[in-house]
Amino acid sequence: NAGVTQTPKFQVLKTGQSMTLQCAQDMNHEYMSWYRQDPGMGLRLIHYSVGAGITDQGEVPNGYNVSRSTTEDFPLRLLSAAPSQTSVYFCASRLEGGSNNEQFFGPGTRLTVL
Amino acid sequence: AQKVTQAQTEISVVEKEDVTLDCVYETRDTTYYLFWYKQPPSGELVFLIRRNSFDEQNEISGRYSWNFQKSTSSFNFTITASQVVDSAVYFCALSGMDSSYKLIFGSGTRLLVRP
Repeated sequence: NAGVTQTPKFQVLKTGQSMTLQCAQDMNHEYMSWYRQDPGMGLRLIHYSVGAGITDQGEVPNGYNVSRSTTEDFPLRLLSAAPSQTSVYFCASRLEGGSNNEQFFGPGTRLTVL
Repeated sequence: AQKVTQAQTEISVVEKEDVTLDCVYETRDTTYYLFWYKQPPSGELVFLIRRNSFDEQNEISGRYSWNFQKSTSSFNFTITASQVVDSAVYFCALSGMDSSYKLIFGSGTRLLVRP
């Protein structure tokens, strides 16, 4: 298994540009989520999904859209990038209903918005 | 509201010293999970341990040990005989048992182990 994969690893955008951060997992996990990591603040939840076709907002959803058309993929869209969205983005997945609540994290995407 | 506090921003020790990373949490939930993650310089997040609120037994895994005390809302992490490879940022996190499985992270403690 490749686990949780994220692309790209690095991205530089100009203010106002749009882009999609890709996240995929091959563990058949129902639950997937996106976090952002900012210096001195730990990670904060942006959006999450408990299964295909179901998404919900986390702690900091503004400026981001998500969709979940398949179990494997959970892309994160920035419609109009802002400098405040400069951050490291982590995707995570978890087996729904499992006794172990461990979430598996991807390697991260470092995004810079100029 | 849920909150995780890691008051130690940075800790520097010499190799082979023992070091304890503090974690204090706040939650109104009666059932919850606590976690520790390691983030090495390469940037990925490595799961270390999960503890549920039912189980206050301390846990030891090699040089790592965890002390969970519900009475003080703390979940501290001790590394015995630290090594240079332990240098990383360590995050404590809290999760309720609702469907969001949202992880509330502390701000992290950067540990530097000097040779």
